Amino acid sequence: EVQLLESGGGLVQPGGSLRLSCAASGFTFSSYAMSWVRQAPGKGLEWVSGISGSGGGTYYADTLKGRFTISRDNSKNTLYLQMNSLRADDTAVYYCAKPTNTLVVLNAFDIWGQGTMVTVSS
Amino acid sequence: QSALTQPRSVSGSPGQSVTISCTGTSSDVGDYDYVSWYLQHPGKAPKLMIYDVAKRPSGVPDRFSGSKSGNTASLTISGLQAEDEADYYCSSYAGSYTLVFGGGTKLTVL
Repeated sequence: EVQLLESGGGLVQPGGSLRLSCAASGFTFSSYAMSWVRQAPGKGLEWVSGISGSGGGTYYADTLKGRFTISRDNSKNTLYLQMNSLRADDTAVYYCAKPTNTLVVLNAFDIWGQGTMVTVSS
Repeated sequence: QSALTQPRSVSGSPGQSVTISCTGTSSDVGDYDYVSWYLQHPGKAPKLMIYDVAKRPSGVPDRFSGSKSGNTASLTISGLQAEDEADYYCSSYAGSYTLVFGGGTKLTVL
């Protein structure tokens, strides 16, 4: 069964850092680009970042302004999101997501994790 | 990367059809056939319902259909059922390796 399992969320103070992980199973992880998508409480979905299958290409939403870094370890089938200089408006559920096929970096996501909650508050 | 525009809410009675619109620009929806639609029930992860404008993943009922005209994409749900009540989001590739979502539409089955 294809699965994504996020971890690493929690409560962090403004200005702090957090690293999210997403463990993948049931598919050839290194063949697929992966993305992070977040959803603030009561709000809509927002694409955050994507990474190519090899890890050689990384892509970010303009709003992040260099505060987040996406990476992956294909030997561990794990995706990461390093979040620095966190602000209250980064509070959200963070999902990792797999695209429908190996040919595209950013398109439709057919597999999503259950999400991990990040709360930025003092 | 402005969000795509969706109606805040739509509603319909069981058995009826509803259409949800998703309006973007010539730089996203209008320029690429990479529009997707997701269903999200409260507290759950999104579920892919339509991709590449009009393709249905395996297991999605053919009551769900997608289309696009110019800068606007649409999701039509025919034969509404109670379990269709959810939030629906569109997304589109927006060029330069970026992706944009719509603000979401709450579907109420009356």
